[in-house]
This record gives sequence, structure tokens and C-alpha cells, in this order.
Amino acid sequence: EDQVTQSPEALRLQEGESSSLNCSYTVSGLRGLFWYRQDPGKGPEFLFTLYSAGEEKEKERLKATLTKKESFLHITAPKPEDSATYLCAVQAPLGGGADGLTFGKGTHLIIQP
Amino acid sequence: KAGVTQTPRYLIKTRGQQVTLSCSPISGHRSVSWYQQTPGQGLQFLFEYFSETQRNKGNFPGRFSGRQFSNSRSEMNVSTLELGDSALYLCASSMGGGDTQYFGPGTRLTVL
Repeated sequence: EDQVTQSPEALRLQEGESSSLNCSYTVSGLRGLFWYRQDPGKGPEFLFTLYSAGEEKEKERLKATLTKKESFLHITAPKPEDSATYLCAVQAPLGGGADGLTFGKGTHLIIQP
Repeated sequence: KAGVTQTPRYLIKTRGQQVTLSCSPISGHRSVSWYQQTPGQGLQFLFEYFSETQRNKGNFPGRFSGRQFSNSRSEMNVSTLELGDSALYLCASSMGGGDTQYFGPGTRLTVL
């Protein structure tokens, strides 16, 4: 059974204090790993897709990396508007090309001014 | 390009009733997936439709069903509602084949 574990569950940082969020996964043949950001009462907002170990992607203050067993979301010099829940999800090969993501429980990030 | 839309945004029902939720995908997307989000279980996959066919189903009882129309719009139905069905129901669309899924704002269902 595919599993995704995110840590820490919650993280409180001061504005400008860089840190990393972790996503560990066990899946038979990773098809893709996805990072989303979710604000309270809203749907998840897509951030990154990673497909193979060693891949890295960046967007503003965020950088996502992938190894064979885990992914990291690095946040550099965060601002209060970066406060949100960050979700990691994996997609495994399914018959007939079917889709379906397995999500972790998320990391609730608070950036204090 | 318009994003994924879901209607209604909020819904209050009582136990035993049934409910139908609607999702309109991004133009050109043929895959629609549905998810249930609760504080305790997080985001859980319900089912996925592609070209009007259900291709994949999560571990939910048969009370949860769905369908997709020829224009890729999708509906999800929950029959005989239980208190535990209270959740945020999210729809996501993609081109299919493992492509990135884009989520709608969700429908908040409260069962009393």
C-alpha cells in the first residue's frame, strides 16, 4: 500500500527564517510527486511536480527536491504570506493509465512577522 | 483560462438524505478526480473518471458514486448520508496520464 508521511506536522518560523519540510514516501514505482499549498477553506493550489530522483524545481522562495525515498520543500527567507498548509502527494502506476493521488497529512506552516 | 469550478460551495443536509455535487473541469481536461478531506483523515481519493469511464476507485463504500458527461463535467452522489460524511469534497482535473491535477475550491458538506 502506498504511504506518504510528512514532517513536521506543524512549524512556526520567524519571518526570514529559512527551513525545510519533509515528505517520505513508499510506493511501488513512483510516477510523480506533487507539492500543493492549501489556505484555510480553499482547494489545494499546485506548486511543483517532480518525476525522478535528483530533480529540483524552484519558484520564488520555494525549492522542491526529490530522492528515491523522500522529497523536501525548502523555504528561503519566508514571508507571512507563505503561511499555509503544504501537502505532498504521490502517484503510482495504475492499470489503464488511471490517476489517483495519495496525500500526506500536510505540514501547517506559520510565518510570524 | 478558467479554473475548476464546483457547485454548490456549501451544503447542509440531514442524515439519510442524498446529495449531488457538481464539478466543471478546466477546458480541455478529460480526467476528473474526486477527493474527500476531513481533519482526521486528510485528503482521500474517491474515484477518477476519464472520457465518461470510471478508471480508478478509492476505498469508500458504495454509497459514494459518480459519473462523467461527454463534456467532461462530473457529478458525485452520496446516498443515505451519515454524520461522518461531513467533509470538504474536492474535485481535480487534468489531461490524464499522470499529468498534474488542478483542484477546485471544494464543496463544504455538513450532515446534521
